[in-house]
Amino acid sequence: KQEVTQIPAALSVPEGENLVLNCSFTDSAIYNLQWFRQDPGKGLTSLLLIQSSQREQTSGRLNASLDKSSGRSTLYIAASQPGDSATYLCASSPGGYNKLIFGAGTRLAVHP
Amino acid sequence: DVKVTQSSRYLVKRTGEKVFLECVQDMDHENMFWYRQDPGLGLRLIYFSYDVKMKEKGDIPEGYSVSREKKERFSLILESASTNQTSMYLCASTSLREQFFGPGTRLTVL
Repeated sequence: KQEVTQIPAALSVPEGENLVLNCSFTDSAIYNLQWFRQDPGKGLTSLLLIQSSQREQTSGRLNASLDKSSGRSTLYIAASQPGDSATYLCASSPGGYNKLIFGAGTRLAVHP
Repeated sequence: DVKVTQSSRYLVKRTGEKVFLECVQDMDHENMFWYRQDPGLGLRLIYFSYDVKMKEKGDIPEGYSVSREKKERFSLILESASTNQTSMYLCASTSLREQFFGPGTRLTVL
């Protein structure tokens, strides 16, 4: 059964730092991997989707990579800002109906 | 842009009440999902639907049922609400690629 793990569970950084959030999964036979952002008490906002044939995706200051062979994905945030403070979740899809299996998330705090 | 809406942001119900949570998507997606999110447990799949009137149980279906009479609408039903169903409920729909979420419903059962 697929398990998704995110490290670290929490991260506190000063504004301006570049940072990396890690996501690992146990079964490399994934259909795609998706990164989400969640603000307190809110729903999930999709940040990036990487399909199994892709190695990375970029959106603004965000870059996500996927290495299926090692079962890892990373989310890179450049020049962090206080507005980036949120919980970041990764989720893998084994295909089929695109049911997602979520990690527990990384809670990020960027302080001025 | 895909839009997924949920009928209520906050809901307070009493033990034993029948509760309906509604979710509507506007992108003609085939698949829709209901999750609940609890501190320390993450997101857990309750039910999903892959077509009108078609549904499958997720990881924690006990105490819940669902209804999908129209493609755009997916309802979660708590037949007899209990205090352990106090949670954040999140609906999502997907095009088999990206999955989009609604704003969530914070349900409190007293």
